[in-house]
Amino acid sequence: EPEVTQTPSHQVTQMGQEVILRCVPISNHLYFYWYRQILGQKVEFLVSFYNNEISEKSEIFDDQFSVERPDGSNFTLKIRSTKLEDSAMYFCASSEAGFTTQYFGPGTRLTVL
Amino acid sequence: AQTVTQSQPEMSVQEAETVTLSCTYDTSESDYYLFWYKQPPSRQMILVIRQEAYKQQNATENRFSVNFQKAAKSFSLKISDSQLGDAAMYFCAYMSITGTYKYIFGTGTRLKVLA
Repeated sequence: EPEVTQTPSHQVTQMGQEVILRCVPISNHLYFYWYRQILGQKVEFLVSFYNNEISEKSEIFDDQFSVERPDGSNFTLKIRSTKLEDSAMYFCASSEAGFTTQYFGPGTRLTVL
Repeated sequence: AQTVTQSQPEMSVQEAETVTLSCTYDTSESDYYLFWYKQPPSRQMILVIRQEAYKQQNATENRFSVNFQKAAKSFSLKISDSQLGDAAMYFCAYMSITGTYKYIFGTGTRLKVLA
């Protein structure tokens, strides 16, 4: 069965550094999402992406964040200058259509020191 | 804004017994989707069951069933004949059909299955 994959599984970075989290959605899916989960808290929506543009972004998704689908298969989340509070688990998800079930990747654990 | 509440941080069940996980939500919309996702340790979230709000019939998937009470805004998950492999974090999620289809999650319930 097709799966969403994410790399790396764990990323450690210094505060102020840029990180890129990578996701490979399921191949025929058209809608892409990033969520994050700070340890002990609920999973929160960050951004949705369709037709090569952002559909919606949350308040968390400020100017430090950006998303890109650089080559038709990868979907990336970039954090330009990481802060301590960006430490979290980041989940990528994709869906075939907007109202269909989202399939989640295993997550990238980001630790900012 | 919509909210989802899971009031049970942790639940335990004996193997082969039945357990019910609670979820309530708040919305002013009349049509939406509700989901239960399972997240085993160090694994990704996988869909357990999905309910369309316009359907009165409760969704079922093998040993998993829901009790969807639209008026009460309640969406509980019943797991029958619990198995050791059911041990996981369970998340309830809400999705509006207007807008961009983002999920709104509850805080999750950790289910332990006792042998």
